Amino acid sequence: GAVVSQHPSRVICKSGTSVKIECRSLDFQATTMFWYRQFPKQSLMLMATSNEGSKATYEQGVEKDKFLINHASLTLSTLTVTSAHPEDSSFYICSAHGQSYNEQFFGPGTRLTVL
Amino acid sequence: AQSVTQLDSQVPVFEEAPVELRCNYSSSVSVYLFWYVQYPNQGLQLLLKYLSGSTLVKGINGFEAEFNKSQTSFHLRKPSVHISDTAEYFCAVSEPGGSYIPTFGRGTSLIVHP
Repeated sequence: GAVVSQHPSRVICKSGTSVKIECRSLDFQATTMFWYRQFPKQSLMLMATSNEGSKATYEQGVEKDKFLINHASLTLSTLTVTSAHPEDSSFYICSAHGQSYNEQFFGPGTRLTVL
Repeated sequence: AQSVTQLDSQVPVFEEAPVELRCNYSSSVSVYLFWYVQYPNQGLQLLLKYLSGSTLVKGINGFEAEFNKSQTSFHLRKPSVHISDTAEYFCAVSEPGGSYIPTFGRGTSLIVHP
């Protein structure tokens, strides 16, 4: 099956610092990757969609200058939370879609805590 | 536009009892349907999916779901639950083609009591 990994699984940082989260498709080429945010006891909220080699498309209400997304290769996308604040603390999940699949595959998630 | 309604936010049940988690969807086109399970502090794990064909879909961990087009439902069932089934369950719908971006329901918390 298709596997998606995320690194780190957990990160704690100080307010004002930037944090980078990596999402990798391990055994397939992901033409499109997605980033979701999940608040406690809530569903997943799509933040942005990124296609390899092009700019990400952000959902309404998501600050693109705060959440920088890069999809430099067919197996790697990164989400950088810039100048993080406590309200950015959340569970971030990525997913990936490849051309030969009819579904997305989800990573294990990254728990971000901003102090 | 598509939407998913999970009617129950929380379902408590005793161990070895049967359970049904309800999911209704709305869409103007044909759909793919999914059930995911999420354990605390983990990502989503696919339980089962309906793409086409038989309306009764069997998944992992003894779960199954039935696609009912006339009622626009995709309820998840298990005949006998275990303590380890305690988790959050998400129903999702996507439209064929494109990047298959799913629309998620709000989730149902299954709580299995001993």
